[in-house]
Amino acid sequence: NAGVTQTPKFRVLKTGQSMTLLCAQDMNHEYMYWYRQDPGMGLRLIHYSVGEGTTAKGEVPDGYNVSRLKKQNFLLGLESAAPSQTSVYFCASSYLPVGNTGELFFGEGSRLTVL
Amino acid sequence: SQQGEEDPQALSIQEGENATMNCSYKTSINNLQWYRQNSGRGLVHLILIRSNEREKHSGRLRVTLDTSKKSSSLLITASRAADTASYFCATAPFNQAGTALIFGKGTTLSVSS
Repeated sequence: NAGVTQTPKFRVLKTGQSMTLLCAQDMNHEYMYWYRQDPGMGLRLIHYSVGEGTTAKGEVPDGYNVSRLKKQNFLLGLESAAPSQTSVYFCASSYLPVGNTGELFFGEGSRLTVL
Repeated sequence: SQQGEEDPQALSIQEGENATMNCSYKTSINNLQWYRQNSGRGLVHLILIRSNEREKHSGRLRVTLDTSKKSSSLLITASRAADTASYFCATAPFNQAGTALIFGKGTTLSVSS
């Protein structure tokens, strides 16, 4: 059982380049989330989805776009990468909404460096 | 803005000692969850406590919640070197359907043998 899989695990971009991070879960979870983790900042929510075809903005959505065309996949896109987007990105999913005791299952992270 | 703030930021103890980490949050919650992160890995769920609960146990973990003070504590008893990790509290905001957990900045625990 793979759980939550993120690809790629590492990527180096130049300023202005675009890229997409893929998150796939095989647990049939309805809810999916993208967080970024920076030193001393904990995890900050970028975007999340409460079901296939839906997305919502989190705390730090600027510079990112997301899509949830299939229930098992949640894509995070950077249209024009900036050095401030250098971070470790974590995808997570949950079966229940967090307000109803949903616990998050995390991927192993994608480390992105923007030069 | 982040909901939770853990205290202390870093904690160093010897094997066999107990480790206590505290979390304060700002707004009303449905539940509070604690996660663990080993270096270079993803977060792993440890324990969840509902807003109407005051204490919960799971193995060597004990979590308390004081909603009047908007605070929680995580106690790890008889620590082991393998408990070395960062620990995060996360809150589910009250009465917000279809939302996400808000994480604190974490406590880094180092257990030496």
